[in-house]
Amino acid sequence: EVQLVQSGVEVKKPGESLKISCKGSGYRFTSDWIGWVRQMPGKGLEWMGLINPGDSDTRYSPSFQGQVTVSVDKSITTAYLLWNSLKASDTAIYYCARYDCTGGSCSFDFWGQGTLVTVSS
Amino acid sequence: DIQMTQSPSSLSASVGDRVTITCRASQGIRNNLGWYQQKPGKAPKRLIYAASSLQSGVPSRFSGSGSGTEFTLTISSLQPEDFATYYCLQHNSYPLTFGGGTKVEIK
Repeated sequence: EVQLVQSGVEVKKPGESLKISCKGSGYRFTSDWIGWVRQMPGKGLEWMGLINPGDSDTRYSPSFQGQVTVSVDKSITTAYLLWNSLKASDTAIYYCARYDCTGGSCSFDFWGQGTLVTVSS
Repeated sequence: DIQMTQSPSSLSASVGDRVTITCRASQGIRNNLGWYQQKPGKAPKRLIYAASSLQSGVPSRFSGSGSGTEFTLTISSLQPEDFATYYCLQHNSYPLTFGGGTKVEIK
């Protein structure tokens, strides 16, 4: 069974750094890209970026380029989303999802449960 | 960037109603579109991929159609468990872009 399990709730102060994780299991982790999606309180879904666990190749939304870093440790089948300096506007739920491209058409087929990040002084 | 315009942003419907949600792309995206359902406090769930392919395990009352710039998600007979927010996502080109969402509420 494919599963993506994300790390728990985070409460941080502005200016602090943070790394949240997404552990994949039940499939060949290096075969599919992993994506990150933001959902701010009461708002819609926003794509942030993708990483290829096989070679760490990345794609970023221009809205998030330079604001976050996506990384991966394939030895422990885990992807990460990192901030160097959090802002209050980073308060949101962050989802990871597997980017399945079977048959030539891609989409996010399995999702993590989400990580709530609250940034407040 | 490709803009995805989803309509309506919300709708009220009764159990048994036929519901149609539309996404329009600002440029052609072939069939590179998926539909997702999100219930409060839960992660999104894929319903449709490649514009019209039904995700395994998803009830057949859900269907997707379209190609190019106009796409629809249809729920043929709305059930109580279908009250949720629905999103489209284009993956034809980077950046991937979601529609703004459609909240389906009980009339």
